Amino acid sequence: DTGVSQNPRHKITKRGQNVTFRCDPISEHNRLYWYRQTLGQGPEFLTYFQNEAQLEKSRLLSDRFSAERPKGSFSTLEIQRTEQGDSAMYLCASSLEWVPSGNTIYFGEGSWLTVV
Amino acid sequence: KQEVTQIPAALSVPEGENLVLNCSFTDSAIYNLQWFRQDPGKGLTSLLLIQSSQREQTSGRLNASLDKSSGRSTLYIAASQPGDSATYLCAVREGSNYQLIWGAGTKLIIKP
Repeated sequence: DTGVSQNPRHKITKRGQNVTFRCDPISEHNRLYWYRQTLGQGPEFLTYFQNEAQLEKSRLLSDRFSAERPKGSFSTLEIQRTEQGDSAMYLCASSLEWVPSGNTIYFGEGSWLTVV
Repeated sequence: KQEVTQIPAALSVPEGENLVLNCSFTDSAIYNLQWFRQDPGKGLTSLLLIQSSQREQTSGRLNASLDKSSGRSTLYIAASQPGDSATYLCAVREGSNYQLIWGAGTKLIIKP
């Protein structure tokens, strides 16, 4: 068990460019979450998957954001036409559960995005 | 709408002291509450998870309590060490919601 893995860890991009982040959850974890965090704030929920199905999306997730988990294993988060306000740390997390339960949610190290 | 508050936002104490971090939430209908640690520029490390039916959980020098009726949780750190310096966040999980609702964190500095 190598934990939740995210890459790249850091990304600097010019405004208007597209970026993609990848998350590899803990193996056999069926649930995968994406959060966004800015300095001095707690994480904000973006979306989550149960296996390959995207079950919930936050209103924070504008049309420029898209997330996939095609085979129920790794996930990608793509941001199109990046804006400076997209600068944040994007956190991925995973857990093993089928209904809301007491299982721990494990987070990755995050992917820092800076839009210049 | 659930709101989670952590006070104080920052805390600085000398090494060796015992300390308490506070977390309050507005809606007592929670599944569980989780405490996390975050080092600067890093992801989140889960410290303790308290189920809604539990009153406390312990791990090493850490003890977390939960009082649902008053909407409060505390994280007690015994014999603090400089390596405990980090931001500590609490998050609640609601019954009908798969999301975690987060506090903004308490930045803890342990002075050698």
